[in-house]
Amino acid sequence: GENVEQHPSTLSVQEGDSAVIKCTYSDSASNYFPWYKQELGKRPQLIIDIRSNVGEKKDQRIAVTLNKTAKHFSLHITETQPEDSAVYFCAASMNTGFQKLVFGTGTRLLVSP
Amino acid sequence: GAGVSQTPSNKVTEKGKYVELRCDPISGHTALYWYRQSLGQGPEFLIYFQGTGAADDSGLPNDRFFAVRPEGSVSTLKIQRTERGDSAVYLCASSFSTAGELFFGEGSRLTVL
Repeated sequence: GENVEQHPSTLSVQEGDSAVIKCTYSDSASNYFPWYKQELGKRPQLIIDIRSNVGEKKDQRIAVTLNKTAKHFSLHITETQPEDSAVYFCAASMNTGFQKLVFGTGTRLLVSP
Repeated sequence: GAGVSQTPSNKVTEKGKYVELRCDPISGHTALYWYRQSLGQGPEFLIYFQGTGAADDSGLPNDRFFAVRPEGSVSTLKIQRTERGDSAVYLCASSFSTAGELFFGEGSRLTVL
């Protein structure tokens, strides 16, 4: 089955810096890659996603890139703010017609003022 | 309601007991998922409902776990003969369509003593 690895497990940056989180997946049939943000004790919330027919997608300060050949995808956050502090999860899903997501183990991002 | 509602938010039980966890999805969402999140890990897929039927229950760990959605709306996850290893946050999510964005609830934290 699919396996998703995520790095780093923790990431500390200064406010205004950029943050990059990387994930690799094992199953070349995976074609949908969402990213979720989870604040402490809260629900995971979708922040951006990308499908395998697209190499890059951007939404304001957040961007995701996908390299299908290398089977890895990355989350980029620019101009980080303290409210970006949370745990971020990447996930992968095959074209099953529904969202049977396999999640990474998460990255705890801390943005210091 | 405005979001996915899960009850109870916290449940403490003793090993061997039976528990039920309830999920009330967003009105009009036909797809419903259960995921389980252990401490420090990403959510893990358990089961997917489309309407009243369980379309994929391949993530249920064993036959102590069962879920129903009799009227295509509210779902109940049932765990028999609970074990300490069942302790986790059980997340419910719903989406408007099978491949649509997942909206997660706040989760039910289960602790088995």
